[in-house]
Amino acid sequence: GENVEQHPSTLSVQEGDSAVIKCTYSDSASNYFPWYKQELGKRPQLIIDIRSNVGEKKDQRIAVTLNKTAKHFSLHITETQPEDSAVYFCAASKGGRRALTFGSGTRLQVQP
Amino acid sequence: GAGVSQSPSNKVTEKGKDVELRCDPISGHTALYWYRQSLGQGLEFLIYFQGNSAPDKSGLPSDRFSAERTGGSVSTLTIQRTQQEDSAVYLCASSDGLAGDNEQFFGPGTRLTVL
Repeated sequence: GENVEQHPSTLSVQEGDSAVIKCTYSDSASNYFPWYKQELGKRPQLIIDIRSNVGEKKDQRIAVTLNKTAKHFSLHITETQPEDSAVYFCAASKGGRRALTFGSGTRLQVQP
Repeated sequence: GAGVSQSPSNKVTEKGKDVELRCDPISGHTALYWYRQSLGQGLEFLIYFQGNSAPDKSGLPSDRFSAERTGGSVSTLTIQRTQQEDSAVYLCASSDGLAGDNEQFFGPGTRLTVL
């Protein structure tokens, strides 16, 4: 089955800096790649997603890039703010199997 | 509108007891998923429902785990003869369509502790 690797496991940045989180996946049939943010004690919430027919998507300070050939995708957060501090999860799925396979998560700490 | 709800929010049980966890998806969402999140870990898929049927049960870790969904709405995850390794947060999610890439909306989870 699908396997998603995520790194780094922890990331500390200064407020205003950029943060990059990277994921690789194993199943070339995967075609949907969401990113979830989970604050302490809260439920995961979708922040951005990308489908395999595009290489990049941007939403304000957040962007995701996808390299299908290399089977990796990345989350980019610019101008980080303390409220960006949370655990971020990448995930992958393919159309026939709708379950998401999640990475192990990245704990982002934005220092004010 | 109301989001995904789960009950109970916390459950403490003794080893060997059975537990039932409930998920109430967003109204009209046909797809429902159960995931498990162990402390400090990622989310592990358990089972997926489309309507009342479960086309994918591949994530259930043992035959002690079962789930059902009735009326295309509420789902119950049952764990029989609980073990300490079953301790985790059990998350339910729902989505609204048949396409595989629709956003999954998560509930707040049930934190299960097996003593």
